[in-house]
Amino acid sequence: DQQVKQNSPSLSVQEGRISILNCDYTNSMFDYFLWYKKYPAEGPTFLISISSIKDKNEDGRFTVFLNKSAKHLSLHIVPSQPGDSAVYFCAASGRWNAGNMLTFGGGTRLMVKP
Amino acid sequence: DADVTQTPRNRITKTGKRIMLECSQTKGHDRMYWYRQDPGLGLRLIYYSFDVKDINKGEISDGYSVSRQAQAKFSLSLESAIPNQTALYFCATSDPGTRTIYFGEGSWLTVV
Repeated sequence: DQQVKQNSPSLSVQEGRISILNCDYTNSMFDYFLWYKKYPAEGPTFLISISSIKDKNEDGRFTVFLNKSAKHLSLHIVPSQPGDSAVYFCAASGRWNAGNMLTFGGGTRLMVKP
Repeated sequence: DADVTQTPRNRITKTGKRIMLECSQTKGHDRMYWYRQDPGLGLRLIYYSFDVKDINKGEISDGYSVSRQAQAKFSLSLESAIPNQTALYFCATSDPGTRTIYFGEGSWLTVV
């Protein structure tokens, strides 16, 4: 049973508009969440993260929101650009793991149309 | 140059053959990982190593083995490849002081 889920396999957005990518998790012991971006033929690259002590973290055009009660996080990209077209993975980790073990969602493919 | 280098980047092999994927890193991280990506399933952990003498199974270790030859090198082996091991494989590293892991560029493996 997947502990981290991205229920939308794909998302299409017009350039300049907002992209919202969603992620749900089931394990309340997760306390750190990350978003990775992956282009074809490349490895995933770290994008932004948030600790469970916060409900928002912002980095330029990227903002991650965390709703612990709903076990839900979202990544907002404003404004969206064609170069943002990629697969986005959310990931979660918990301190019970003796290390930086990440549990990943299945990914959402974002397409930003010019 | 990439901080985490995987070889080969692409390989086609036959069922039953032994195949090794190699990973080397220049980040100086102690922790290294092998993940597998399948469509819709995200990345799943195969094996991880916290140092040269420490090897641990991940979520999907059956059919795989690993070797940590040095702090900078971590290889993944498929002793007898089968078609459902066709996937994109990623090596990754991390620093114990952070919770971010850094991925290599991936190795496409096709088992026919």
